[in-house]
Amino acid sequence: GAGVSQSPRYKVAKRGQDVALRCDPISGHVSLFWYQQALGQGPEFLTYFQNEAQLDKSGLPSDRFFAERPEGSVSTLKIQRTQQEDSAVYLCASSLYYEQYFGPGTRLTVT
Amino acid sequence: TQLLEQSPQFLSIQEGENLTVYCNSSSVFSSLQWYRQEPGEGPVLLVTVVTGGEVKKLKRLTFQFGDARKDSSLHITAAQPGDTGLYLCAGLTQGGSEKLVFGKGTKLTVNP
Repeated sequence: GAGVSQSPRYKVAKRGQDVALRCDPISGHVSLFWYQQALGQGPEFLTYFQNEAQLDKSGLPSDRFFAERPEGSVSTLKIQRTQQEDSAVYLCASSLYYEQYFGPGTRLTVT
Repeated sequence: TQLLEQSPQFLSIQEGENLTVYCNSSSVFSSLQWYRQEPGEGPVLLVTVVTGGEVKKLKRLTFQFGDARKDSSLHITAAQPGDTGLYLCAGLTQGGSEKLVFGKGTKLTVNP
């Protein structure tokens, strides 16, 4: 079936604006993950869900970051009052067992 | 704190050469995965190694998991320009968490 999809692919926000990033996982995948990838770095874990339950949010950098997956399928990562240091690629991955499959990412640029 | 150290960070070689990328840690992982990422795309899973000492081959790519499950290597034989990309290792820590810990990656360029 289709892979993980993310939208938008690119987002430019002015500092202080709120943004919402969407992830559609592979159908039937129980677990969903969000990672942040800065330029030239490996991805860093933000948070993950099993179905609709958020099991680990230890990687969220501040309380401006919020993620949800209300029906255990699509997930949204929201960033409030964006700051320049939030500029990065936000990757979503889903898994059925322990192998994670990534979407193409959303490149967020905060100006 | 970066739990996984990858080396080298950058590698530029000629087509036909062999290369090895290393992924090291002081932590034990329940499994380790290797990904390849191209610009503007998400990481694509190449292989998962689970057992200490395990060796997996994928055409010209050979992956090895250390006996103590703390380190891994990726060896490419007769590299081709199509192998160009960012190679990432990622480990699943012990304790039941499903989150992956990534290395910083090795940026490989294979020149024709």
